[in-house]
Amino acid sequence: DAGVTQSPTHLIKTRGQQVTLRCSPKSGHDTVSWYQQALGQGPQFIFQYYEEEERQRGNFPDRFSGHQFPNYSSELNVNALLLGDSALYLCASSLSATGWNIQYFGAGTRLSVL
Amino acid sequence: AQTVTQSQPEMSVQEAETVTLSCTYDTSESDYYLFWYKQPPSRQMILVIRQEAYKQQNATENRFSVNFQKAAKSFSLKISDSQLGDAAMYFCAYRSAFTSGTYKYIFGTGTRLKVLA
Repeated sequence: DAGVTQSPTHLIKTRGQQVTLRCSPKSGHDTVSWYQQALGQGPQFIFQYYEEEERQRGNFPDRFSGHQFPNYSSELNVNALLLGDSALYLCASSLSATGWNIQYFGAGTRLSVL
Repeated sequence: AQTVTQSQPEMSVQEAETVTLSCTYDTSESDYYLFWYKQPPSRQMILVIRQEAYKQQNATENRFSVNFQKAAKSFSLKISDSQLGDAAMYFCAYRSAFTSGTYKYIFGTGTRLKVLA
């Protein structure tokens, strides 16, 4: 049973560019959440997708957008990249029908903005 | 707004010994979930243990156990018989109860655990 997979593992971009990160949830999961983890910090919630809709959003600007596909996979898009966007981006999947809604994480995408 | 605080940036433990990692949180809610996640150098966050706020009994998973003090808003993790493979960043996380409509996890800043051979 494949867990949460993210691609690519590493990415280098320059300021002003746009980037798309991808996530495939754990088998059977219907919900995907995205987090930004700056170096030496804990993950910060960006947003969560359920039934192809953004269900909740954290304190991130509109430059951060996402999408969930019918097969539950998801993309995170960041426009007009800033140096401060350099971070590890984590995707987590869960099954919303359960009370626990435990989130299972992928290994992340390391984004470097130069 | 809820917050999670981990006041120990780094801890060390001798192999086979016991170590306790601290976590405090602030919330006005009465029902919520607490988690400890481990993040090894491979970067993938792994769930270590979980606790429901309305359950008084402390959760236990093999060598890992928690001391949950709801009134004090404290949720510490005890690792017994520490092994070299326990070396990692440990994050404490909070999530509101499902019925509140809040789905995000709130993480602390983490504690780096070193295990000495």
